[in-house]
Parts: sequence; structure tokens; C-alpha cells
Amino acid sequence: AQTVTQSQPEMSVQEAETVTLSCTYDTSENNYYLFWYKQPPSRQMILVIRQEAYKQQNATENRFSVNFQKAAKSFSLKISDSQLGDTAMYFCAFTSYNNNDMRFGAGTRLTVKP
Amino acid sequence: GAVVSQHPSWVICKSGTSVKIECRSLDFQATTMFWYRQFPKQSLMLMATSNEGSKATYEQGVEKDKFLINHASLTLSTLTVTSAHPEDSSFYICSARPGQDPYSNQPQHFGDGTRLSIL
Repeated sequence: AQTVTQSQPEMSVQEAETVTLSCTYDTSENNYYLFWYKQPPSRQMILVIRQEAYKQQNATENRFSVNFQKAAKSFSLKISDSQLGDTAMYFCAFTSYNNNDMRFGAGTRLTVKP
Repeated sequence: GAVVSQHPSWVICKSGTSVKIECRSLDFQATTMFWYRQFPKQSLMLMATSNEGSKATYEQGVEKDKFLINHASLTLSTLTVTSAHPEDSSFYICSARPGQDPYSNQPQHFGDGTRLSIL
């Protein structure tokens, strides 16, 4: 079974600074996808970034980038130039190509301070 | 694009009643939809995978007779909480993956969730 671990329940960062959220996962699959979702207080799930495991290049989306280390089964999210609107719960998620459901980590509550 | 509409957003009802939650993909078709449950300050827990035209696949520990899922079309899945009790109170979220390939690499798109409160 696949598991996703987020070891940082809460983090905070000053506005305009950079923060990195950690995620590790466990799987025996070789083909899979990894995601970071953001859940603000409205509780809407918003896709931040995704990474295909077969791609060596780290995904980037504007201020968001990942550090994907397949051998270490690590998938961290870096948020640059943090903004107040980035305050939210962030969930790391895993989907195997052979099993199409999605498994989530416990989440990291990020607070951006002015 | 890729909008998922979930209705109702909030429902309060008496213990013993049944509640139906709808999940619609508005601008795409989805062979597969998913239902999650989220307790306060916790993560999303997959309850079941809803497959159009076939029976849903439930996760271990989820009562099939308590949480009825119907996926009658490529744009609609419903979750019915039968004979709801206070312990069923939670936040329920659906998601849908575009395409008719159940193993599509398209990301899931989430509805806005339903807050269910059973008195």
C-alpha cells in the first residue's frame, strides 16, 4: 500500500520569503504521479503543482517548484516570494498509474505572516 | 475549465434521515469520480471510487449500505448517506478526473465540498 508522510504539521514564513514543505512517500510502483494541493479556509482543494515520476526535471509553476528525489522517495514543495494568500493547508498526494485513486498526506498548515 | 460542482454545500438534518450529495463535472466527462471524507484539521480520506455504469469500489472500513454511491452518467455521481447519525457529521468532498480512461494521468478536480451536520 502506498503511504504519504508530511512530517511538518505547521509552518510559518514571513511575507516575501521562501519556505519549503516536506513530503515523503512509500511505494513499490515505478510509474506514478505526485501532487501538491492547497486547501485555504474555504476548504476548496486547489491543485498547486504535479510531477510525473518518469520525468527527471522538477516541475515548476510560477512561484512554486518541487524537489523530486525519486530514489529517496521525497517530494518537497518550495514556495518563493510567499504571499499572504498562500496561507492554507497544503497536502501532498500520490497516485499510482496502476491504481487510480489518490492518497493524501496529513497536511501542513502554512501561515504567511505580514 | 475542469469545473466540478458539488451540491449542497451545507446541510443540517435530523438523525435518521437520508441525505444525498451530488457531484457534477460541468465541462468535461469523467468515467471515474471519487468521494472523500475530511474531519476537522485532518486529511482527506478516500471513501470510495465511483465508476460510471458499474458498482463503486469502497475502501476498507467504509459501509456500503451506509454510503450509497451511484454514477449514472459521465457527469454525475451521487453519494447518499442513509439513516444518518451524528457520527456521520463531516465534510465530504468529491473529485472527478477528466477522460474516459480510468487510468488517465489527468489530475483530479475537486468540488467545493459539503458540510454535513446531523443533529
